[in-house]
Amino acid sequence: DTGVSQNPRHKITKRGQNVTFRCDPISEHNRLYWYRQTLGQGPEFLTYFQNEAQLEKSRLLSDRFSAERPKGSFSTLEIQRTEQGDSAMYLCASSRKGALGNTIYFGEGSWLTVV
Amino acid sequence: DAKTTQPNSMESNEEEPVHLPCNHSTISGTDYIHWYRQLPSQGPEYVIHGLTSNVNNRMASLAIAEDRKSSTLILHRATLRDAAVYYCILRDNNAGNMLTFGGGTRLMVKP
Repeated sequence: DTGVSQNPRHKITKRGQNVTFRCDPISEHNRLYWYRQTLGQGPEFLTYFQNEAQLEKSRLLSDRFSAERPKGSFSTLEIQRTEQGDSAMYLCASSRKGALGNTIYFGEGSWLTVV
Repeated sequence: DAKTTQPNSMESNEEEPVHLPCNHSTISGTDYIHWYRQLPSQGPEYVIHGLTSNVNNRMASLAIAEDRKSSTLILHRATLRDAAVYYCILRDNNAGNMLTFGGGTRLMVKP
């Protein structure tokens, strides 16, 4: 399977703990996106990378959130000092710059439950 | 991003065509019209996109109004597996390229 891969798929953590999610984009996709989705809502944009550069960050991305893409391939999203309001599905997506229409492909998501 | 307006929900019978409308009266000349769908507990899945002309692929057809202020996603024969939330999204191909999701249309398919 050469789709966007995310892990872990599910994470339950206690409030105050740190969690990290990993995303492996489709090979040769130089753009990578992170979204968050809560129940009953559409996905909300968090941040995006072009290669290793983080080009845009949403105001939703508080200072407890940090995303990296060190070598322009996989990416990690870390949430420090988790709060119950962080419970959501975290979606990663990738696309290739220059492709007609720049179709964005999503992974299956990583579910976070903060208890 | 320009905004889209979709009905909250629609119902269809299995094996019948479904027409999912989307209004985007503030669309700009460089905005592509993208459709994604999201099945329960899965990430969004690309369906189709277009700029001005109608488009067809194996999943669906996209009919775009001549003034581009509205579009319709057409599923030719709905199946139970088509039950999902369908999102109509405008995307400027020249900008940051992130997708801005609205509430979408929840499609229910009755057997």
